[in-house]
Amino acid sequence: QKEVEQDPGPLSVPEGAIVSLNCTYSNSAFQYFMWYRQYSRKGPELLMYTYSSGNKEDGRFTAQVDKSSKYISLFIRDSQPSDSATYLCAMSAGGNMLTFGGGTRLMVKP
Amino acid sequence: DTAVSQTPKYLVTQMGNDKSIKCEQNLGHDTMYWYKQDSKKFLKIMFSYNNKELIINETVPNRFSPKSPDKAHLNLHINSLELGDSAVYFCASSQVINSPLHFGNGTRLTVT
Repeated sequence: QKEVEQDPGPLSVPEGAIVSLNCTYSNSAFQYFMWYRQYSRKGPELLMYTYSSGNKEDGRFTAQVDKSSKYISLFIRDSQPSDSATYLCAMSAGGNMLTFGGGTRLMVKP
Repeated sequence: DTAVSQTPKYLVTQMGNDKSIKCEQNLGHDTMYWYKQDSKKFLKIMFSYNNKELIINETVPNRFSPKSPDKAHLNLHINSLELGDSAVYFCASSQVINSPLHFGNGTRLTVT
């Protein structure tokens, strides 16, 4: 079993839908949680960065962390075709060691 | 104004060859990394340097050797390339420990 699990998808939604992306993890020491977006043939770019449990909102994006359930989520409101990409969760216990999920491929259809 | 740039973008070579990938960041970050992304999109850390000093060296074959001439550059040299080395290699940087990573756009290595 991998340390961070993420459904690879693809997840296909119509434009305007609310998207929910999720990761589960097994290491209770993880404290720093990130979501990256990766377009085809590009490097991952940081979307959200949270520490410990709770919610964080930035525009159409909301990140949630539930450490008791070892579960993190990224919600995208009013999804756009330009949101079509692979979304990678990443987490660390501190230090420079980030553990990534395998990514969920999202397709938003006009 | 590219923050993390790596060259070349594509690299096609034959088994047994030696090749290098270069990376430069203009963000003033102290820490740089090499990650490998396989065909299933999993990103795995290979090396991390902080101010030119190696601080993370994951289980990577000795054929891979990073070199950091200064804190803005981290190059990756690969000897005796094997078919299994085919992947996308990403360079990244971060300001300090625990701060988010900034990635380059990757070098797609194909070994034939």
